[in-house]
Amino acid sequence: SAVISQKPSRDICQRGTSLTIQCQVDSQVTMMFWYRQQPGQSLTLIATANQGSEATYESGFVIDKFPISRPNLTFSTLTVSNMSPEDSSIYLCSVEYWGTPSSGNTIYFGEGSWLTVV
Amino acid sequence: EDKVVQSPLSLVVHEGDTVTLNCSYEVTNFRSLLWYKQEKKAPTFLFMLTSSGIEKKSGRLSSILDKKELFSILNITATQTGDSAIYLCAVEGSYGQNFVFGPGTRLSVLP
Repeated sequence: SAVISQKPSRDICQRGTSLTIQCQVDSQVTMMFWYRQQPGQSLTLIATANQGSEATYESGFVIDKFPISRPNLTFSTLTVSNMSPEDSSIYLCSVEYWGTPSSGNTIYFGEGSWLTVV
Repeated sequence: EDKVVQSPLSLVVHEGDTVTLNCSYEVTNFRSLLWYKQEKKAPTFLFMLTSSGIEKKSGRLSSILDKKELFSILNITATQTGDSAIYLCAVEGSYGQNFVFGPGTRLSVLP
C-alpha cells in the first residue's frame, strides 16, 4: 500500500477564488488520479495525471476549471478554479498499483480535501 | 457504458446483527472488483476479488464474487457501531482502464 498525503484537509473558500490541493505519495507511481465526491454522491473521476504529459480529463471536466500539475512521480496538484458553491465537495487523490494482466489493480486514496464554497 | 449498482443504498441495524451488502455490475472485460469502507473522507481498502466463488475474509467481514451472475456480496457479522460507514464497490475493466464506483451503501449500526 501507499501513504498518500493531501493538503489542505479542509477549507472554506470564497466564491470566484481558486484553491490548489496538493497530493504527495511516499513512493514513485506512474499514474495518479483525482476524484470528486459531492455531498451524498459516489466518487467521480476528474482526471488522470501521468508524469511528463498532459492530464487526461473525463467527460464533464475541463482543464481550465481543474488544472492539474504532475511535476514528478511522487507529487501532483489539482486546482479548482473560479469556485462556485457547486464545487463544494471532497476531492480525493489516488494512486493505482498494478497487478499482473491476469489479476487486478488496487487503488489507494489520500485523506481527502473537503472544500466548502460560500 | 460500464455500470455498478449497489443495494441497499441505506441500511440501519442494531449491534450484533448480520448484514449483507450487494454489488452488481456491467463492465467490459472485467478484471477485478474492490470493496472500500468510507467513514470520514478517504475510502479505505477492504477486499479485491478477481475469481468466482473464493471467499475473502478479514475478521467479521467477508466477501465473495460471482462472475457468472455479475455480482458480489459483502457480509458483516456481529456488527458494531464502528462498522457504521459508507461501503463502496468499485469495478475495474480491461487492464489499464479506470475504476467505476457504485453509489455506496450507507450502513448505520445502532447500539
